[in-house]
Amino acid sequence: TQLLEQSPQFLSIQEGENLTVYCNSSSVFSSLQWYRQEPGEGPVLLVTVVTGGEVKKLKRLTFQFGDARKDSSLHITAAQPGDTGLYLCAGVRSNYQLIWGAGTKLIIKP
Amino acid sequence: ETGVTQTPRHLVMGMTNKKSLKCEQHLGHNAMYWYKQSAKKPLELMFVYSLEERVENNSVPSRFSPECPNSSHLFLHLHTLQPEDSALYLCASSQDRAGGLNTEAFFGQGTRLTVV
Repeated sequence: TQLLEQSPQFLSIQEGENLTVYCNSSSVFSSLQWYRQEPGEGPVLLVTVVTGGEVKKLKRLTFQFGDARKDSSLHITAAQPGDTGLYLCAGVRSNYQLIWGAGTKLIIKP
Repeated sequence: ETGVTQTPRHLVMGMTNKKSLKCEQHLGHNAMYWYKQSAKKPLELMFVYSLEERVENNSVPSRFSPECPNSSHLFLHLHTLQPEDSALYLCASSQDRAGGLNTEAFFGQGTRLTVV
């Protein structure tokens, strides 16, 4: 049983479209991190959300932490080919465990 | 050189071979990690070292043996591996262990391991 579910697993869209990917759990996290991993590279941290209901923006990327701190979403506006990659979420539990999702593989076609 | 560096980038080994993966971090971090990444699966945490002491070992088979000689270096010694051990092995470091205030993980580029 996966503790952190990411959806969709795979998404392929045209440049300029908007998209949302989700990270859901039945567990409460003290914080949640989003990473992007490009082919041949390790994951790179994009953002950490800490407070329930928190919204953070990183240029065209908008991250939201659920009010109950069990889920999160990543919305990309006007996607660009450079946004292509594997998006991973990781929840930090109160016992210091870091729980990872399996990722959303995103392809943006020019 | 900055960041987290892993060598080699690619490794093909037979099931009877012994090899080692190397990780070096130049960030002054206190915690280092080995992860296994397989397609369509969550990252699997294998080992955690905090201040050079192994603090977590997630039921990893004994054919994987970590070594942390100092706070900047981490090794993963491999012997008598199985084909199902083929995966991307990622090293990461963070200022503090996961759960602390500074838990951003900085990853290396990984070693793509193929066991034949």
